Amino acid sequence: ETGVTQTPRHLVMGMTNKKSLKCEQHLGHNAMYWYKQSAKKPLELMFVYSLEERVENNSVPSRFSPECPNSSHLFLHLHTLQPEDSALYLCASSQEDRGNSPLHFGNGTRLTVT
Amino acid sequence: GESVGLHLPTLSVQEGDNSIINCAYSNSASDYFIWYKQESGKGPQFIIDIRSNMDKRQGQRVTVLLNKTVKHLSLQIAATQPGDSAVYFCAEPLGGYQKVTFGTGTKLQVIP
Repeated sequence: ETGVTQTPRHLVMGMTNKKSLKCEQHLGHNAMYWYKQSAKKPLELMFVYSLEERVENNSVPSRFSPECPNSSHLFLHLHTLQPEDSALYLCASSQEDRGNSPLHFGNGTRLTVT
Repeated sequence: GESVGLHLPTLSVQEGDNSIINCAYSNSASDYFIWYKQESGKGPQFIIDIRSNMDKRQGQRVTVLLNKTVKHLSLQIAATQPGDSAVYFCAEPLGGYQKVTFGTGTKLQVIP
């Protein structure tokens, strides 16, 4: 168990669908992140939440909409996606008030847009 | 621009041998580095980290070396095992709130 749980593990959606990815962390951390991992590309930071406030939006298209209702939960709402959005979406958490600290990742949601 | 990169995309090692995975960075202001391991079907897993006031740090079967003069980082795995087969990333937080920059990764293949 990683301490960070992501659901669903796999998702296939059409370009006109609306779906949501869910992330829950059981580590008591105060920061949460969404990363995108595409084949043969480095992990791309999408969003950062610290103390439930969004502190980073890394030029992500508006068809991706994050939500952080509390420090343990993070959602990524998806709508009118494109096939190039197919990727592994990783959630991570960390404890920011310890200074530099490592990220703890979930096992990701494998998204396929058809 | 500033980047974190890896020298080799794939490394094949005989079981029981030592593995060395290299990473170059270009941001001289970086003061913290992290190594992650990503197995197939899983998210990246923290292995070991090192701060810039150190040049070596050891964990269980792993050692990270930092050479700030040439901006080079390496991960050494002793007595490599089949379970070590994975993609290894070095990462570098480039600002607050963990704006972590990752390289593309090195795939380690352990030959039984």
